Amino acid sequence: NAGVTQTPKFRILKIGQSMTLQCTQDMNHNYMYWYRQDPGMGLKLIYYSVGAGITDKGEVPNGYNVSRSTTEDFPLRLELAAPSQTSVYFCASSLAQGEYNEQFFGPGTRLTVL
Amino acid sequence: KNEVEQSPQNLTAQEGEFITINCSYSVGISALHWLQQHPGGGIVSLFMLSSGKKKHGRLIATINIQEKHSSLHITASHPRDSAVYICAVWDGSEKLVFGKGTKLTVNP
Repeated sequence: NAGVTQTPKFRILKIGQSMTLQCTQDMNHNYMYWYRQDPGMGLKLIYYSVGAGITDKGEVPNGYNVSRSTTEDFPLRLELAAPSQTSVYFCASSLAQGEYNEQFFGPGTRLTVL
Repeated sequence: KNEVEQSPQNLTAQEGEFITINCSYSVGISALHWLQQHPGGGIVSLFMLSSGKKKHGRLIATINIQEKHSSLHITASHPRDSAVYICAVWDGSEKLVFGKGTKLTVNP
């Protein structure tokens, strides 16, 4: 099993450009998450999904959109990139939700907006 | 909302030393997670604790639910233990709340 995979690993965007960060998991997990990690800060939840067709906002959703058309894929869309979106983005998945459930993380995407 | 505080923020040790990283949280929970972020950036789960102590190799995690405190210990530390260690707790509704992490550097 590949686990959780993310593409691309690195990306530089200009202000106002758009891009999609891809996330795929092959563990048949229902729950998927997008986090951002800023220097010196804890991971912050952007969006999450409890299953195909169902998504919900996390703590910092502004400037992002998501979709979940299949169990495996959970892409994150940036429509108008801003310097404040410079961060490392992690996708994660878990079999179930709740505090007893382990989350499995992808390798991350380092995004710079100039 | 649960808030998570980790200490120290940075820790440098010599190979072989005993390491302790602390995590405190503000709202009572049933479970706490310890994660490791490798220098290359990948994040892996180390422990999920709901009470007492868990051991995996040279890593030991303890939790005191009443005092809202957990510790991660590393015995006989090694340079390959150099990483950022993160604790996380559930916020009571839909998500994990993460600490800022403790950056550990173990020198040979």
